[in-house]
Amino acid sequence: QSALTQPASVSGSPGQSITISCTGTSSDVGSYNLVSWYQHHPGKAPKLMIYEVSKRPSGVSNRFSGSKSGSTASLTISGLQAEDEADYYCCSYAGSTTFLLFGGGTKLTVL
Amino acid sequence: QVQLQQSGPGLVKPSQTLSLTCAISGDSVSSDSAAWHWIRQSPSRGLEWLGRTYYRSKWYNNYAVSVKSRITINPGTSRNQFSLQLNSVTPEDTALYYCAREGARLTYYFDYWGQGTLVTVSS
Repeated sequence: QSALTQPASVSGSPGQSITISCTGTSSDVGSYNLVSWYQHHPGKAPKLMIYEVSKRPSGVSNRFSGSKSGSTASLTISGLQAEDEADYYCCSYAGSTTFLLFGGGTKLTVL
Repeated sequence: QVQLQQSGPGLVKPSQTLSLTCAISGDSVSSDSAAWHWIRQSPSRGLEWLGRTYYRSKWYNNYAVSVKSRITINPGTSRNQFSLQLNSVTPEDTALYYCAREGARLTYYFDYWGQGTLVTVSS
């Protein structure tokens, strides 16, 4: 099964909001509220930012929010800050055969 | 605070076996709520889930279809750790390998990650 589809890159200025999409199918994103998002700074371990579509772990800024419509999940970052510049990956449960799928990653540039 | 510390060789020859270990502190590999995963990242394949092991009165595994014939993930026998073995490697298996924890049952997200191990498959 193919990876989830994310835009290769997005950009925004400090203070602005951006949204990263994650498109799957009715077999994964569309069937389960088990989408998570990770922030990855190269050379560091990925960091969980959102789980179960829209829940935020303790310690993650409320500038990060998640949502889902049909087979597309989205990560929105409001009030962009320079430290938000990183790669972002979505991940979805995809059933007991495929199990887990990641998106291809989106590079966020803060202008 | 959970910490995952990875170890293992960074260079493996083609056709040989890739072996990595993930030592756990702050939790137990035999926790009845957590699961322990391996994930890799490469420029060509992005992030790819490889498999997991977990304990629910007995040990269970799930593996990605793409590597199912070559992979084994085992809990540590005498240490609080788990391991990855990937057989018959090719240059396509060159990647940054991560271990990670799924902290609660049936949640399918990773709340703690290891530091990553770059494994190159080359003669």
